[in-house]
Amino acid sequence: EDKVVQSPLSLVVHEGDTVTLNCSYEVTNFRSLLWYKQEKKAPTFLFMLTSSGIEKKSGRLSSILDKKELFSILNITATQTGDSAVYLCAVESAGGTSYGKLTFGQGTILTVHP
Amino acid sequence: DTGVSQNPRHKITKRGQNVTFRCDPISEHNRLYWYRQTLGQGPEFLTYFQNEAQLEKSRLLSDRFSAERPKGSFSTLEIQRTEQGDSAMYLCASSFGTGFYTGELFFGEGSRLTVL
Repeated sequence: EDKVVQSPLSLVVHEGDTVTLNCSYEVTNFRSLLWYKQEKKAPTFLFMLTSSGIEKKSGRLSSILDKKELFSILNITATQTGDSAVYLCAVESAGGTSYGKLTFGQGTILTVHP
Repeated sequence: DTGVSQNPRHKITKRGQNVTFRCDPISEHNRLYWYRQTLGQGPEFLTYFQNEAQLEKSRLLSDRFSAERPKGSFSTLEIQRTEQGDSAMYLCASSFGTGFYTGELFFGEGSRLTVL
């Protein structure tokens, strides 16, 4: 059974701090790893990673995948209160007729204090 | 609004009643997914449609759950004889995919079910 584990489960920081969120996975037929941000509504897409060692960046957020060690990290630099959210890691597996089936981790709750 | 639309947003029902949720995906998206999310957990996959064909169902989806996507457009998720354990947020997502390419999943804001 596919499994995704995120750590830490929660994190409290002050504005300006840098945070690193971790995601490890066990999945058969790996296709991609995705990060989502979830505030009190729908998860919104951040990154999709398919290749090891290639960093993806979007503003203050960046992410990298290690397919050998089966993990990914999400970095947020110079955190702001608007970064407070649940960050979800998900892995897409492929097999049979199913595409886009995601297995999610339990999420990391990030709280950024002013 | 051209995003994924779900309704109702909130539903409170008594145990044993039937409920139905509707999802309207982004119009050009051929793939549609249902996920369930309980408090403090990540979403769990329930089922997946490509156009009107339901291609996969999770073992989480008991016989009381049924999903349809007539004509490959909107989808409905019905839960019969609801139980308190069904209380959760039901999320719908859609994407445009061809072959192995999945495309980004866009999530709706969810339908929150509370079973008393």
